[in-house]
Amino acid sequence: GAGVSQSPSNKVTEKGKDVELRCDPISGHTALYWYRQSLGQGLEFLIYFQGNSAPDKSGLPSDRFSAERTGGSVSTLTIQRTQQEDSAVYLCASSLGLAAFYEQFFGPGTRLTVL
Amino acid sequence: SQQGEEDPQALSIQEGENATMNCSYKTSINNLQWYRQNSGRGLVHLILIRSNEREKHSGRLRVTLDTSKKSSSLLITASRAADTASYFCATDVNFGNEKLTFGTGTRLTIIP
Repeated sequence: GAGVSQSPSNKVTEKGKDVELRCDPISGHTALYWYRQSLGQGLEFLIYFQGNSAPDKSGLPSDRFSAERTGGSVSTLTIQRTQQEDSAVYLCASSLGLAAFYEQFFGPGTRLTVL
Repeated sequence: SQQGEEDPQALSIQEGENATMNCSYKTSINNLQWYRQNSGRGLVHLILIRSNEREKHSGRLRVTLDTSKKSSSLLITASRAADTASYFCATDVNFGNEKLTFGTGTRLTIIP
């Protein structure tokens, strides 16, 4: 079956511009996560959606970052007024339930470069 | 600060040898997971070990967990070139079920 997909795979933008990153989770997965991975680093948690519950936004680094999940499926991560330090690979993952108990399936990521 | 920290940061071994990497964490956990990341397949789940388990096997992988020392190890036996990747441990924090904290990873290189 289809895995987690993300688009675009690469995004180059100029400092100050807004960007939108998209994630299509595996059908039926109620949990969706966004992470950020800087070069040579581990994954930094950004935001988590579970079913119809309010999202856990505790990992968002600033108010320039926001995310939504429409219809319990597709999610969009928006970064406003991008800065060079936002350059990273943004990874989306989905799972059947709570992260501590279920395997997370990751998408291929979106590589964001802010010039 | 990182919940999980892998050790060593980088490891190079000959094909056929065994590879061992370690993970230390700081808080109480429900479970610990290991993931592998390479350029070809992205980030892939390898194994989940529960806090009440001490050892778990999956194919050539053997994971141990010592909750008293807050540490885990991942052993890959009879390594292959395809095992070249970065390996990350991931845990929940203080029994927080909803999200995982990942370590910075061990970069494993298998020399043919």
